[in-house]
Amino acid sequence: EPEVTQTPSHQVTQMGQEVILRCVPISNHLYFYWYRQILGQKVEFLVSFYNNEISEKSEIFDDQFSVERPDGSNFTLKIRSTKLEDSAMYFCASYARGGNTGELFFGEGSRLTVL
Amino acid sequence: DAKTTQPNSMESNEEEPVHLPCNHSTISGTDYIHWYRQLPSQGPEYVIHGLTSNVNNRMASLAIAEDRKSSTLILHRATLRDAAVYYCILRPRMEYGNKLVFGAGTILRVKS
Repeated sequence: EPEVTQTPSHQVTQMGQEVILRCVPISNHLYFYWYRQILGQKVEFLVSFYNNEISEKSEIFDDQFSVERPDGSNFTLKIRSTKLEDSAMYFCASYARGGNTGELFFGEGSRLTVL
Repeated sequence: DAKTTQPNSMESNEEEPVHLPCNHSTISGTDYIHWYRQLPSQGPEYVIHGLTSNVNNRMASLAIAEDRKSSTLILHRATLRDAAVYYCILRPRMEYGNKLVFGAGTILRVKS
C-alpha cells in the first residue's frame, strides 16, 4: 500500500534555530499539504502546494515558514526561527487529483519540540 | 468553509455497530462529505466519502440524508482498534485539491 513518509519522527531544537521537516509524498500525487497539531488540539491546515507553488496558506503560515519541493520527490517544511509555540506534531499529506477515493494520504507525523 | 457539528464523544461496546452522526446544514451542492479518523499518536486516516448517495467500503458505511444536511458514519462491528477521533469534513470541489478543514471531531471509545 502506498504511503507518505516523514522524517524525522521527533526533533528537539532550541528556540531560534532553523528546522526542516521532510516528507516523501506518494509518487504520482500532485497536491501536497502540511498540517500541524498542537498537543490536545485540532489538526490545523498550514499550506497546500501544487504545480511547484503554494496554492493556499493559512494565517499560521507566516514569513517564518516556507515549503519546497527541491527534487521532485521530497516536500519540505522549513521553520526559519523556531518559537516555543511551534512545538507540535507536523503532518504531511498528499493527494492524487482525480483519484477515485478523494483520499488525502497522511504521514505518521514529525514531532517538533522547541525548548 | 462549511461547518459540521458532531458530538464531542461517544461510547460503544466491542463488536456492536456504531452510528456516528454529523450535521452540516449549510452544505452546498459541490461539497463532498468526508470522514477521516485519527488513531492515538497517528496521522489522520481516510475512512469514506460521498456526495449524495449512501456509500460502503471495507471500513465503514456512509448514510447521507436526502436533503444532505446530515450524515451518519456506520461502523458495522466496532473493535478496540476503532477507538479514535472521527472527523466529518465538508470538502468543496475536491478535484481541485482543496484542503481538508478539521474540526474537533467525535472521540469514540470502545469498551471490551
